[in-house]
Amino acid sequence: DGGITQSPKYLFRKEGQNVTLSCEQNLNHDAMYWYRQDPGQGLRLIYYSQIVNDFQKGDIAEGYSVSREKKESFPLTVTSAQKNPTAFYLCASSYSLRTGNYGYTFGSGTRLTVV
Amino acid sequence: GQQVMQIPQYQHVQEGEDFTTYCNSSTTLSNIQWYKQRPGGHPVFLIQLVKSGEVKKQKRLTFQFGEAKKNSSLHITATQTTDVGTYFCAGRKDSNYQLIWGAGTKLIIKP
Repeated sequence: DGGITQSPKYLFRKEGQNVTLSCEQNLNHDAMYWYRQDPGQGLRLIYYSQIVNDFQKGDIAEGYSVSREKKESFPLTVTSAQKNPTAFYLCASSYSLRTGNYGYTFGSGTRLTVV
Repeated sequence: GQQVMQIPQYQHVQEGEDFTTYCNSSTTLSNIQWYKQRPGGHPVFLIQLVKSGEVKKQKRLTFQFGEAKKNSSLHITATQTTDVGTYFCAGRKDSNYQLIWGAGTKLIIKP
């Protein structure tokens, strides 16, 4: 079955460490997105990519970096510059930035905790 | 920047009662989508509305898009325990293809 796989499900980061969250999709979607969700809140866009080797900053990109070297993969690095990284991170994809009648497909998320 | 306001933040209902959540945009939207996120889970796409005044139904769920394409609602009739979760709306402007998310309404079934 096609879908989006995020790993790991839980991640613990020490102060000053960079960590990378994995996101892989086999839906043949062109567009991919990273969102951050804090408890009891909505989704805030970190980065998005419409095509391989291209990505754009979202609303809260500071302290994060991404790459899109393959259509299937869109990893997110949470750098030490992100001062409050504890959150639930969601990766999503869609056929294109203009989804037509299709919504976004989300992965099951990564819960990141700073220890 | 543009916002999509969603109310209420929480709604407590007895099982069998109805539930409604509302979204309002400051500007006209080209379309609006609705998602459901179960506790501990991830958002799942429910539906997209595109036309002015559009109404769509999925079993006990009724989705509406306002005539001015600035507001939308989701109504659940006779809630069941399986309806528990947070419902999000997400709208898209004509000139900007990014989704703008509401903050969500959490549906809680009273024991």
